[in-house]
Amino acid sequence: KAGVTQTPRYLIKTRGQQVTLSCSPISGHRSVSWYQQTPGQGLQFLFEYFSETQRNKGNFPGRFSGRQFSNSRSEMNVSTLELGDSALYLCASSLGINRGADTQYFGPGTRLTVL
Amino acid sequence: GENVGLHLPTLSVQEGDNSIINCAYSNSASDYFIWYKQESGKGPQFIIDIRSNMDKRQGQRVTVLLNKTVKHLSLQIAATQPGDSAVYFCAESPNYGGSQGNLIFGKGTKLSVKP
Repeated sequence: KAGVTQTPRYLIKTRGQQVTLSCSPISGHRSVSWYQQTPGQGLQFLFEYFSETQRNKGNFPGRFSGRQFSNSRSEMNVSTLELGDSALYLCASSLGINRGADTQYFGPGTRLTVL
Repeated sequence: GENVGLHLPTLSVQEGDNSIINCAYSNSASDYFIWYKQESGKGPQFIIDIRSNMDKRQGQRVTVLLNKTVKHLSLQIAATQPGDSAVYFCAESPNYGGSQGNLIFGKGTKLSVKP
């Protein structure tokens, strides 16, 4: 079974631009979560989607948004990019949203560099 | 790599020795804990998890210990191998009555195994 795939793997943007990242979960998985990873702040939760609905949202500004499609694929968008948005963006999928029962499996991430 | 942090704690062990990686969690509402391993260029990989109604859980070569009194979690790796070299993260899941997506990750510990 294929793992979580994220596209693109690497991206370079300039300040002020916007970016869209894509995540395809493991087949059959209906939950997708997004995390930002930086050397300074570590791994921080962005948002979680299940059945096309946002279930949880982390403490990030409104420039960060996401959505999930009927096939469970998810996208996240960052508008008006800032230098501090440079990070590895990780997507994780799980069968459902049951705490302690549905393991989250991570993709390889998209490395975003903002110049 | 993506997970290199200037201030990441490092544990260096000899191949074949046992490794113990520690983690302090902060949220009293957390009742589910997970250890992840992240190799350079990859997303976090699930290792083992434990619920708060348990003190210890064993997997293949790994054991997780939970001390709720002092909010401490540890990961023990038996007979450490070079392939165990990675950054290890503990994650806690607060029980706010919601779903599991909003994992709170620790800063990580870099394990270096010397052959």
